[in-house]
Amino acid sequence: DTEVTQTPKHLVMGMTNKKSLKCEQHMGHRAMYWYKQKAKKPPELMFVYSYEKLSINESVPSRFSPECPNSSLLNLHLHALQPEDSALYLCASSPLAGGTYNEQFFGPGTRLTVL
Amino acid sequence: DQQVKQNSPSLSVQEGRISILNCDYTNSMFDYFLWYKKYPAEGPTFLISISSIKDKNEDGRFTVFLNKSAKHLSLHIVPSQPGDSAVYFCAASEQTGANNLFFGTGTRLTVIP
Repeated sequence: DTEVTQTPKHLVMGMTNKKSLKCEQHMGHRAMYWYKQKAKKPPELMFVYSYEKLSINESVPSRFSPECPNSSLLNLHLHALQPEDSALYLCASSPLAGGTYNEQFFGPGTRLTVL
Repeated sequence: DQQVKQNSPSLSVQEGRISILNCDYTNSMFDYFLWYKKYPAEGPTFLISISSIKDKNEDGRFTVFLNKSAKHLSLHIVPSQPGDSAVYFCAASEQTGANNLFFGTGTRLTVIP
């Protein structure tokens, strides 16, 4: 299995809803990432997990709450989002082998629309 | 401030010819560079990478060149095929391990049959 899967593919939510995005990989990678991508812009890093521990939080508002239940799963919990949070949310993983560079492998993304 | 720049938002090339996509960066601490390809409604797909100790890396039809003194890299695709039509992102990283990838704004390549 050499892919990163994300569910759902599309999500429409109101500003008072609570929802979660899910990401899964079975490549044995020990680093997982959440990115946000707006139209015609590059992906922007939100969070990094290394060995299931949060290692980077790029000053993301608290209405986004990441969770890494195990080495294969990564969730992003959403609450009280704003319309400007509408974007493509990308999950990625990388091997995290010590002393070497690690390519990040991306999932297909979840297209989120906040009404 | 954009640390990785792709100044050409789009490029059209005839099938069979060479495609050259360019990327510039400003952070001299970057030591690993990657190219990703992205189709609509899909996540970026890793294509090829190069570390700062090399100036060229080749993989099939794809070759990446790095000019550290100019802080410039380029991706050459030869021969170009219609299936190569996609958005290409250049990305850079400062260190090994789990880290931030800084992406360029992308170049949309269209290969004309």
